[in-house]
Amino acid sequence: IAGITQAPTSQILAAGRRMTLRCTQDMRHNAMYWYRQDLGLGLRLIHYSNTAGTTGKGEVPDGYSVSRANTDDFPLTLASAVPSQTSVYFCASSETGDTDTQYFGPGTRLTVL
Amino acid sequence: GQNIDQPTEMTATEGAIVQINCTYQTSGFNGLFWYQQHAGEAPTFLSYNVLDGLEEKGRFSSFLSRSKGYSYLLLKELQMKDSASYLCAVRDSDYKLSFGAGTTVTVRA
Repeated sequence: IAGITQAPTSQILAAGRRMTLRCTQDMRHNAMYWYRQDLGLGLRLIHYSNTAGTTGKGEVPDGYSVSRANTDDFPLTLASAVPSQTSVYFCASSETGDTDTQYFGPGTRLTVL
Repeated sequence: GQNIDQPTEMTATEGAIVQINCTYQTSGFNGLFWYQQHAGEAPTFLSYNVLDGLEEKGRFSSFLSRSKGYSYLLLKELQMKDSASYLCAVRDSDYKLSFGAGTTVTVRA
């Protein structure tokens, strides 16, 4: 089935632990994105990648890192989780990084205690 | 920075019409998107405007005025399944999306 998958669906994590959120798309989209969604703040861009091998910082990149080794996968890593990173994380993709519509994955609900 | 404003909540009756307004001030403009998001689910694409005017897609229409920094999403013949959050997003000069906080629409019987 074409689309974007994210794993895990939800996770409870102790502060200070390292965590990687996975995102995979099978639409051969060039651009991929990570957002976090917090109540009352809307979706905010963390990192993005316009094509495999390149990444860029979004609005709220601190505490997060990404890599884009191939077209399909775009993992998001929290090196040392803090409670303020409790959020719902959405991965998205678009055919290109400029003029195309972004399509979202189902999200990962992360709680950092 | 980006500033995108939309009302927090709206309530309407099944079969009625609701208009969700969005005003924006962004660094450059390369299009405005509306997404629908049901509780606990991913945002799904509804509409896209890059030129002034009205875009109609079934029961949903979206309007844009670039000179006024204004858009609205019109939902007609409301159904219970339209109860959701509606997100306004503007693509800026760097082709990145900035989202409003969303408008939660509740449809009552």
